[in-house]
Amino acid sequence: QVQLVESGGGVVQPGRSLRLSCAASGFSFSNFGMHWVRQAPGKGLEWVAVIWNDGGKRYYGDSVKGRFTISRDNSKNTLYLQMNSLRAEDMAVYYCARAECGGGCMDYWGQGTLVTVSS
Amino acid sequence: SSELTQDPAVSVALGQTVTITCQGDSLRLFYASWYQQKPGQAPLLVIYGKNYRSSGIPDRFSGSSSGSTASLTITGAQAEDEAVYYCDSRDSSGSHPIWVFGGGTKVTVL
Repeated sequence: QVQLVESGGGVVQPGRSLRLSCAASGFSFSNFGMHWVRQAPGKGLEWVAVIWNDGGKRYYGDSVKGRFTISRDNSKNTLYLQMNSLRAEDMAVYYCARAECGGGCMDYWGQGTLVTVSS
Repeated sequence: SSELTQDPAVSVALGQTVTITCQGDSLRLFYASWYQQKPGQAPLLVIYGKNYRSSGIPDRFSGSSSGSTASLTITGAQAEDEAVYYCDSRDSSGSHPIWVFGGGTKVTVL
């Protein structure tokens, strides 16, 4: 069965960096684009970034552009999110999700990893 | 900037029908997807495309679209349908594609 397991969350000071990982199993990882989506405490979902199945294209939401980098290692079935210059407003649960429906939906989600930005 | 608008909350009597809407210009070009999120859980894909239910989703859930508005209907709402429902769609109006979520609609089953 499809499984996505995020890790790497934790407490980090403003201005510092953190790298999240998403380990995928149960499907052919290299055939699917992947998203990162976040959810601040008590708030709605916010799309963060997407990467094409071969890593050839990557796109970002305006709030993270220039600070976050999405990447993947298809040999390790793992998706990453490098987060630099973290701000208080980046504090959220970060989910990875598989892109499907011709790119129009996110059909499987991980359980999320919490990033807390605090001094 | 791209935006999808949802009503914040709606209530429905047990066994009755409720329709949630999602409005945005991107929906003129792209279908919405609908996600259900219960407290402490990850979102779950419910409806995608023209009106396709994700695997395991009961047939009381259905979707439709007209112009810039997408709708999710629960026909015969059950207690377990109480959740927040989010729509999303791809948007290509800018220089590159992005994905946008609505603010979510909290459905309360009375």
